Amino acid sequence: ILNVEQSPQSLHVQEGDSTNFTCSFPSSNFYALHWYRWETAKSPEALFVMTLNGDEKKKGRISATLNTKEGYSYLYIKGSQPEDSATYLCAFLNNAGNMLTFGGGTRLMVKP
Amino acid sequence: EPEVTQTPSHQVTQMGQEVILRCVPISNHLYFYWYRQILGQKVEFLVSFYNNEISEKSEIFDDQFSVERPDGSNFTLKIRSTKLEDSAMYFCASSGLAGVGEQFFGPGTRLTVL
Repeated sequence: ILNVEQSPQSLHVQEGDSTNFTCSFPSSNFYALHWYRWETAKSPEALFVMTLNGDEKKKGRISATLNTKEGYSYLYIKGSQPEDSATYLCAFLNNAGNMLTFGGGTRLMVKP
Repeated sequence: EPEVTQTPSHQVTQMGQEVILRCVPISNHLYFYWYRQILGQKVEFLVSFYNNEISEKSEIFDDQFSVERPDGSNFTLKIRSTKLEDSAMYFCASSGLAGVGEQFFGPGTRLTVL
């Protein structure tokens, strides 16, 4: 059983704060790490798919880094806005196939 | 912008009944997936489907479950004889690439088994 953990489980920040959270995953048989943003009552939306150790990806104010050797990825949000409030999910893919294993998510709430 | 759609949004059924959950993936995608999330738990992979056959399935996807692509647009998940523990949110997703391809998720079907 693959273990993918995210921390913290939830986070309250003020508008304008920068924040980050962690996804940890098995360091063996790594193939890809997916990040999704999931707003309440909407579909999960892909943010990044990361494959290489040391990868850094950026989309607007959101960026992510990847360390496959130690088995973690960080997601950063710079200058949080209320519309960033959502659950952020990571999902690990090992090289055995197509099965994404999800973490439990970090629920971010940004107060105006 | 193309999107994945799912019907119904909410299905209530009696234990032991069969249910079919429907999905319309993005039209030029080749890989299709079903996931579920039981309330308060992690999202769990059920099955992936490519080239008209199952490419991978999890331990959850036992003989009570089946998937089908009956025509060029729909992708269905059938649960033959529902159990109380099948109550969950079921998500369909599709992607243009396996593995490293972003998956596009539908809005989900909430299944309640009474």
